[in-house]
Amino acid sequence: DTAVSQTPKYLVTQMGNDKSIKCEQNLGHDTMYWYKQDSKKFLKIMFSYNNKELIINETVPNRFSPKSPDKAHLNLHINSLELGDSAVYFCASSTRQGGTGELFFGEGSRLTVL
Amino acid sequence: GQQVMQIPQYQHVQEGEDFTTYCNSSTTLSNIQWYKQRPGGHPVFLIQLVKSGEVKKQKRLTFQFGEAKKNSSLHITATQTTDVGTYFCAGRNFGNEKLTFGTGTRLTIIP
Repeated sequence: DTAVSQTPKYLVTQMGNDKSIKCEQNLGHDTMYWYKQDSKKFLKIMFSYNNKELIINETVPNRFSPKSPDKAHLNLHINSLELGDSAVYFCASSTRQGGTGELFFGEGSRLTVL
Repeated sequence: GQQVMQIPQYQHVQEGEDFTTYCNSSTTLSNIQWYKQRPGGHPVFLIQLVKSGEVKKQKRLTFQFGEAKKNSSLHITATQTTDVGTYFCAGRNFGNEKLTFGTGTRLTIIP
């Protein structure tokens, strides 16, 4: 069973369109994240939710809107897509309850904006 | 804001040679984690260091946390082709949930 799963894995779309990426984790974790990895491989945090509450909101254009319907799901909706939004978007989860707080990443969603 | 830099950005080594990547934070960290991302893959957790001056080993990998808790290193002895990938450090500040990833070091192995 995949621990953190994202859909879709690949997304090719035109500038100006709106698209969503979905993420689900079955690890029972209470915190979920969206990271963006650009062509230079830099990993930048975008958002984090803890038990459906937004706790980290980096300087991200408000065209990006996360939604967490429950603590196992964190979706990312992007309006009016731009060329610069092309990247791999990783969802991740972690728990605050003991352990190292390591992040478990999904396989990524590669977004290409034409 | 917090910045975490890694050097080198790229490293090409002959198989069997050693490899080291260095991680430097602009702020003192509560802990540091290391991740490995294989080409086309996703980051996978390797280890966490918490104490000042801590050293941990995993087979051929040695991780070190600096005394001031602002820098860290990962050393791989006798690299193998399976070591190929990008290695990221990630630092967490005190009282802050955010894990800031370093810029990464991409390791390629020449067989």
